[in-house]
Amino acid sequence: KQEVTQIPAALSVPEGENLVLNCSFTDSAIYNLQWFRQDPGKGLTSLLLIQSSQREQTSGRLNASLDKSSGRSTLYIAASQPGDSATYLCAVPNQAGTALIFGKGTTLSVSS
Amino acid sequence: DTGVSQNPRHKITKRGQNVTFRCDPISEHNRLYWYRQTLGQGPEFLTYFQNEAQLEKSRLLSDRFSAERPKGSFSTLEIQRTEQGDSAMYLCASSLVNEKLFFGSGTQLSVL
Repeated sequence: KQEVTQIPAALSVPEGENLVLNCSFTDSAIYNLQWFRQDPGKGLTSLLLIQSSQREQTSGRLNASLDKSSGRSTLYIAASQPGDSATYLCAVPNQAGTALIFGKGTTLSVSS
Repeated sequence: DTGVSQNPRHKITKRGQNVTFRCDPISEHNRLYWYRQTLGQGPEFLTYFQNEAQLEKSRLLSDRFSAERPKGSFSTLEIQRTEQGDSAMYLCASSLVNEKLFFGSGTQLSVL
């Protein structure tokens, strides 16, 4: 059964720092991995989708990498800003490809 | 198109009452998903539709839960005889096959 783990559970950094969020998954037979952002009391916003054939995806200050063989993905945020404060979740498809399995998320707080 | 829309945003009900939530997906998306999220946890898959067909249901979806997607457009999720354990955020998402999921803002259910 696929399990997704995110470390750390919470992270506080001062504005301007570069940071890395980690995601690990137990079954490496995935065809993509997705990173989401969630603000308190709101739905999820898709940030990056990495296909299994890709090693990384970039969008602005965000860079996500995928290493299927080791069952890991990282989300790199450059030059963090207070507006980046949110919970970041990673998700992988289940074996049938019919649903996403989510980690519990990393709650990021960026102070000005 | 303004994205995935969910109504109501909040619902407070007494134990034993029935509730119904509505989701309007992005119009061209053929897949529609329902997830449930409790505080501090990632979303958990409940069920999904491809067009009007309900193709998978999680074991989390007890007999008190029913979902429909008539004509492959909007979807409804009904919970009968609500229990306090049903209190959660109910999230709807839509996508094209194997593409990014787009989530609505969710319906926060409180069962008193």
